[in-house]
Amino acid sequence: DIQMTQSPSSLSASVGDRVTITCRASQSIASYLNWYLQKPGKVPKLLIYAASSLQSGVPSRFSGSGSGPDFTLTISSLQPEDFATYYCQQSYSTPGTFGGGTKVEIK
Amino acid sequence: EMQLVESGGGLIQPGGSLRLSCAASGFTVSSNYMSWVRQAPGKGLEWVSIIYSGGITYYADSVKGRFTISRDNSKNTLYLQMNSLRADDTAVYYCARDGYNSRVGAFDIWGQGTMVTVSS
Repeated sequence: DIQMTQSPSSLSASVGDRVTITCRASQSIASYLNWYLQKPGKVPKLLIYAASSLQSGVPSRFSGSGSGPDFTLTISSLQPEDFATYYCQQSYSTPGTFGGGTKVEIK
Repeated sequence: EMQLVESGGGLIQPGGSLRLSCAASGFTVSSNYMSWVRQAPGKGLEWVSIIYSGGITYYADSVKGRFTISRDNSKNTLYLQMNSLRADDTAVYYCARDGYNSRVGAFDIWGQGTMVTVSS
């Protein structure tokens, strides 16, 4: 199985900060990497698919990059509604493993 | 509006069985890759199973041989039959649609989730 390692597991940031979350796959997954946001008690929401494609309706402050084993999610200017947990997920092969999550908290 | 609505969760004793349902509206289940994803209390997301539009299915090792994914095209509904349930199957179960036929799934539509609690 492909293992997905996210870092950091948590971070504190302020509104307006630029935030970067990384995700590393245990083997090459081409661009089969997706990013989700989940708020407490809520359903996960797709932000980025295929490593860098912005899901419809998602603000342009979210961007994704990378290929092969290393990927990055960037929030260019953190907004109050962005405080949540972020998950990466590989969709290259079954099982479609998720990373452990990165909790973004208010500083 | 495209929507998924799950049902069937509840409290079940270890070793018991439960069937989850996921009714779709606004799109056709059989034309899409559909998955189940679960989340144990306070934990991260775990992919469980997928059924492709052609009918091929795959499972996580943790549920293989115990869970069965299926669909009823006439009802536009996805199912997860769960047998031999264990305490570590306790989780919120989500059904999800792969909006991009991305091999295993880039999930653009999620159900609201249904809680399964396995306990005596």
